[in-house]
Amino acid sequence: RKEVEQDPGPFNVPEGATVAFNCTYSNSASQSFFWYRQDCRKEPKLLMSVYSSGNEDGRFTAQLNRASQYISLLIRDSKLSDSATYLCVVNGAGGSYIPTFGRGTSLIVHP
Amino acid sequence: GAGVSQSPSNKVTEKGKDVELRCDPISGHTALYWYRQSLGQGLEFLIYFQGNSAPDKSGLPSDRFSAERTGGSVSTLTIQRTQQEDSAVYLCASSPTTVSSYEQYFGPGTRLTVT
Repeated sequence: RKEVEQDPGPFNVPEGATVAFNCTYSNSASQSFFWYRQDCRKEPKLLMSVYSSGNEDGRFTAQLNRASQYISLLIRDSKLSDSATYLCVVNGAGGSYIPTFGRGTSLIVHP
Repeated sequence: GAGVSQSPSNKVTEKGKDVELRCDPISGHTALYWYRQSLGQGLEFLIYFQGNSAPDKSGLPSDRFSAERTGGSVSTLTIQRTQQEDSAVYLCASSPTTVSSYEQYFGPGTRLTVT
């Protein structure tokens, strides 16, 4: 089993739709969780951290389920500009500072 | 404030030549990471520096790859005797790595093409 797994997609959704991605991780000792966004031929950029209690930033909501070892990202009212690849990142297992990146989920928002 | 910068942005080299890639992290960030990303692939961890500690080189694919970080700031990734399979985007990231933060901030990358 891969350490961090994501559905590669692509997810094709119309503007205004709500879309959700999941990411599963294998190491139960993982401590920190993040979602990054990567546009085509650009570097990854931090989208949001994922806290145990869940957190929301505008149209984006991230949740952590430690029991089932997955994190999720919900995007409401999708915009064309949300089209990108969303990377799940898991960190901190065993005190390690080396993160594990998922392969990413591709989102395409169309008019 | 200034973000992570990398140079050059693009590098084309002939097979067998050595190349040096540079990364300037965000000021005050103690951790620095190098990754590479091949077209359509995920990020591959290469090496990690934390302050003055010995680097974690566990991700380096061969002994042709090495990296230094001088004065806890600027880092250079060197690839000796480049091969075509080394062609990729090389990304550098820095992180404050406080107790509560593993957040990473990436530079724009160096696109390396080995012909």
